Formats: sequence, structure tokens, C-alpha cells
Amino acid sequence: NAGVTQTPKFRVLKTGQSMTLLCAQDMNHEYMYWYRQDPGMGLRLIHYSVGEGTTAKGEVPDGYNVSRLKKQNFLLGLESAAPSQTSVYFCASNRQGPDYTFGSGTRLTVV
Amino acid sequence: SQKIEQNSEALNIQEGKTATLTCNYTNYSPAYLQWYRQDPGRGPVFLLLIRENEKEKRKERLKVTFDTTLKQSLFHITASQPADSATYLCALGFSGGYNKLIFGAGTRLAVHP
Repeated sequence: NAGVTQTPKFRVLKTGQSMTLLCAQDMNHEYMYWYRQDPGMGLRLIHYSVGEGTTAKGEVPDGYNVSRLKKQNFLLGLESAAPSQTSVYFCASNRQGPDYTFGSGTRLTVV
Repeated sequence: SQKIEQNSEALNIQEGKTATLTCNYTNYSPAYLQWYRQDPGRGPVFLLLIRENEKEKRKERLKVTFDTTLKQSLFHITASQPADSATYLCALGFSGGYNKLIFGAGTRLAVHP
């Protein structure tokens, strides 16, 4: 039982490049989330999904897009990366209960 | 403005002592509060949840209190061990919908032998 798997684990992008971060969960969870974590700040919600085919904006959605075509997958896209998007990105999921299961994170550097 | 605050300075304690971490918040009315543990290079791991109508919750060596009047939660680890060294995050949860959480920045705990 893998839980929540994020790929890739590390990535370096040049400003203006695009990429997609993949989150996969095998727990049949309805809800999925993308957070970013920056030094000295709490995890901040980027986008979330309450079910297959649905997405919604969180606290810091600008510069990101998401898709949830399959229940088990939640993709986070950066269309034109900026240095301000250098961060560690975490995906999380849960069912009805409020406790999250997190992935191990993707460390992204934009140069 | 809305804030959730945890002590940004690391907490250093001796093995065997009780560690106490604080989470304060302003201008939120959470329905529950959670504590997570995060190790370097890893995602947070859920530890405990306490609801607004509960004063205290325990799980093995862990104890959480929740005072909605003071807008504060205390997280205690008794008989601390070096393996308890990690960053601990508090998170506020709200009733209704999809369980969106608001996280504090975390407090790093270092337990020394």
C-alpha cells in the first residue's frame, strides 16, 4: 500500500519552462490537495479537488493549473515557471475524515 | 488579520523530559485542530485531532489540549526520546465541505541524549 506518491522528487527548471507534477493515491480518497511549503511559512493551499472531474482554487492559485481526470490522480501544472515558484510541493488526500495523508514532496527550483 | 502562530525558535530539551509546543491563532473559529509531525525531506504525518468541544486528547506519550477561549493548543510529548526530534505542525480545520486545513509554520523539536 503506497499511500500518496509524488513524481518527480526533484526538478530544476529554467524561468519560462513548463512542467507537470503528478500525485497518485491508492486509498480511494475523494479529496485531494496541492500545497506548497516555503521556509518560515505554513503549508499554503494551491488547488484542491473534491472528486473526479472537479477542481477549485485555494489560497495561492496564481501561476498553477490542476486537473483530476481520474479519481486516483491529481496533476499540478506550471505553464511558465517563475523563480517565485521555487518551493517544496506536497500533495495530500483524505476521505471523509479530516486527517490528511501526505506524499513525500517534490522539491522544485526555478532558475 | 487571521494568523496561526507556532514558536519559530527550535525547542531543545533533554531526553526523558516533557516537551511542550504551542499553537496560537487569531481571527479563526476552527471546528477542530490537528497536529502533524514532519521529518526532514518528508511529508507531514498526522498525529492527533482535537475538536472544539474537547479539552484534552491523549495518544500514548502524546497529549493535546485545546482552549477555544485563549485560542491556543498545547502539544505535549512526555518521556521524550531523540527519535521524537522533528518539526511539529499544527493545523486548523473548519466545519462543512471538504476539510480544508490552515497550517502553522511548525516548531522544530530537538531531543538531546
